[in-house]
Amino acid sequence: DTGVSQNPRHKITKRGQNVTFRCDPISEHNRLYWYRQTLGQGPEFLTYFQNEAQLEKSRLLSDRFSAERPKGSFSTLEIQRTEQGDSAMYLCASSFKVQETQYFGPGTRLLVL
Amino acid sequence: GESVGLHLPTLSVQEGDNSIINCAYSNSASDYFIWYKQESGKGPQFIIDIRSNMDKRQGQRVTVLLNKTVKHLSLQIAATQPGDSAVYFCAENSGTYKYIFGTGTRLKVLA
Repeated sequence: DTGVSQNPRHKITKRGQNVTFRCDPISEHNRLYWYRQTLGQGPEFLTYFQNEAQLEKSRLLSDRFSAERPKGSFSTLEIQRTEQGDSAMYLCASSFKVQETQYFGPGTRLLVL
Repeated sequence: GESVGLHLPTLSVQEGDNSIINCAYSNSASDYFIWYKQESGKGPQFIIDIRSNMDKRQGQRVTVLLNKTVKHLSLQIAATQPGDSAVYFCAENSGTYKYIFGTGTRLKVLA
């Protein structure tokens, strides 16, 4: 499978716990994006990487959120001290160039109890 | 499977009929547009794209129309099939890495 992959697909956690999600982009894509999607809404931009550099972080991302892409390949998104409002689908996408199609992974569904 | 959205605008069409899904975009500087299909529990899947120097683009059973004057985009699906049932999003881009997504339309195909 040469598409974008994300793990885990589902995560249930208790409020206050930390969680980490992983995204593996399409191998030749050097641009990687994280989005959050809540029920009834389209994906909302969270952050963007070009290679290993994080070039923008949305205001939606509080300081409890951190994303890394250490070697310019896979990326991780960590949420510390989770809150119920963090419950959402977290989507990763990748692209080869800036204004080109972003291909999405299957997402990680987070439920914070 | 779980729903992508519970209160989305819904379009119901008979199997075999044509579907038209509309989208109003917000930024007059947007010059690249994508339609995505999202099935329950899955990530958005690319369907078709169009750049602002075109007003129509056709794919396999799908056509995208762009009206820049009124900032309107539409997706036409010919001979709609049960497998087309999903939520459809339009996304706009103004030359940066950031895409702005609409709220989506749920398409229900009736047998």
